[in-house]
Amino acid sequence: EVQLVESGGVVVQPGGSLRLSCAASGFTFDDYTMHWVRQAPGKGLEWVSLISWDGGSTYYADSVKGRFTISRDNSKNSLYLQMNSLRTEDTALYYCAKDTREEGALDYWGQGTLVTVSS
Amino acid sequence: DIQMTQSPSSLSASVGDRVTITCRASQSISSYLNWYQQKPGKAPKLLIYAASSLQSGVPSRFSGSGSGTDFTLTISSLQPEDFATYYCQQSYSTLGTFGPGTKVDIK
Repeated sequence: EVQLVESGGVVVQPGGSLRLSCAASGFTFDDYTMHWVRQAPGKGLEWVSLISWDGGSTYYADSVKGRFTISRDNSKNSLYLQMNSLRTEDTALYYCAKDTREEGALDYWGQGTLVTVSS
Repeated sequence: DIQMTQSPSSLSASVGDRVTITCRASQSISSYLNWYQQKPGKAPKLLIYAASSLQSGVPSRFSGSGSGTDFTLTISSLQPEDFATYYCQQSYSTLGTFGPGTKVDIK
């Protein structure tokens, strides 16, 4: 059974930093591109970032480029999101999601971890 | 960047109704279009990928069509468990933009 479990969400002040983690199991982690998607309270889904199977390619939404860094440790079946220079508008539930490989759809999602940026 | 729009933003329907949701891309995305269902307090669930392929385990009352810039999600006979918000997402570009969502609620 595929499982994705996010952690690391907390309350942080504007300008602060945070690292989110996503522990994967039930599939061959290093075969797949992985994504972060976020959802602000009461709002829609916003794609944030992706990382290729080997970590060699990373992409970011314009809203987080230069502030967030996605990474992975295939030896630990883990995905990460380093979030710096946090803003109030970064407040959201952050999901990690697995890519289907050929089609680029997101076929498995975690339950999300809540990041609140507030003074 | 590719922008996605959806219509309507919300709709009210009854059990048994046929429901159609439209998604439009700001440029051609071939068939790189996916549909998700999200219920309150839950993670999104993949329904349709590559515009018209049904994800494993998803009921056959869900179907998708379209290519290029215009796409449709159809629920042939709405069931009580289908009341949710539906999002389209393009995977043509690496920045996988989502549409704003369509909320389907009970009439």
